[in-house]
Amino acid sequence: KQEVTQIPAALSVPEGENLVLNCSFTDSAIYNLQWFRQDPGKGLTSLLLIQSSQREQTSGRLNASLDKSSGRSTLYIAASQPGDSATYLCAVRSPGNQFYFGTGTSLTVIP
Amino acid sequence: DAGVIQSPRHEVTEMGQEVTLRCKPISGHNSLFWYRQTMMRGLELLIYFNNNVPIDDSGMPEDRFSAKMPNASFSTLKIQPSEPRDSAVYFCASTRRDLSSYEQYFGPGTRLTVT
Repeated sequence: KQEVTQIPAALSVPEGENLVLNCSFTDSAIYNLQWFRQDPGKGLTSLLLIQSSQREQTSGRLNASLDKSSGRSTLYIAASQPGDSATYLCAVRSPGNQFYFGTGTSLTVIP
Repeated sequence: DAGVIQSPRHEVTEMGQEVTLRCKPISGHNSLFWYRQTMMRGLELLIYFNNNVPIDDSGMPEDRFSAKMPNASFSTLKIQPSEPRDSAVYFCASTRRDLSSYEQYFGPGTRLTVT
């Protein structure tokens, strides 16, 4: 069974700092990987989706990379802002239309 | 587009009562997923449907849980009888299966509290 791990579980950084969130998965046979943001008491908002054939995707200050062979993905946030404070989750889509989620990284950006 | 709609947003009920959660997927989406999120276990997939047909319900915790999708625009998740350990946030998500991106869109969730 696919296992998805996110480290660290929590991260606190000063405003303006660039940061990297990590996601690892045990089975490299994936179709895609999706990064989500979840604000307290809210649903999940899709940030970026990387197909298995792609190496990275960018949206604004966000850049997600994928190394399928090593089972890793990173989410890079440039020039962090207090509004970026949230929990970030990654999810992989495996064969059979199964989606597996990590437990998330709780990010706090300090003004 | 209104996005994925879930109701109710909050539900408080007593142990033993029946609970029904509702979901309306995004129009045109043909796959629907039910998830449960708790602090202890994170986000767990309970069941998903393709074209209104249940494909994999292996995540449904026990027979007290059941899900239906009578048409492309409506799904329910029922718990009968409910127990305190069912307290969690239940999310519904949808996607278009024929799109290569297969990007999931989540509803706002239903926070269930069973006392």
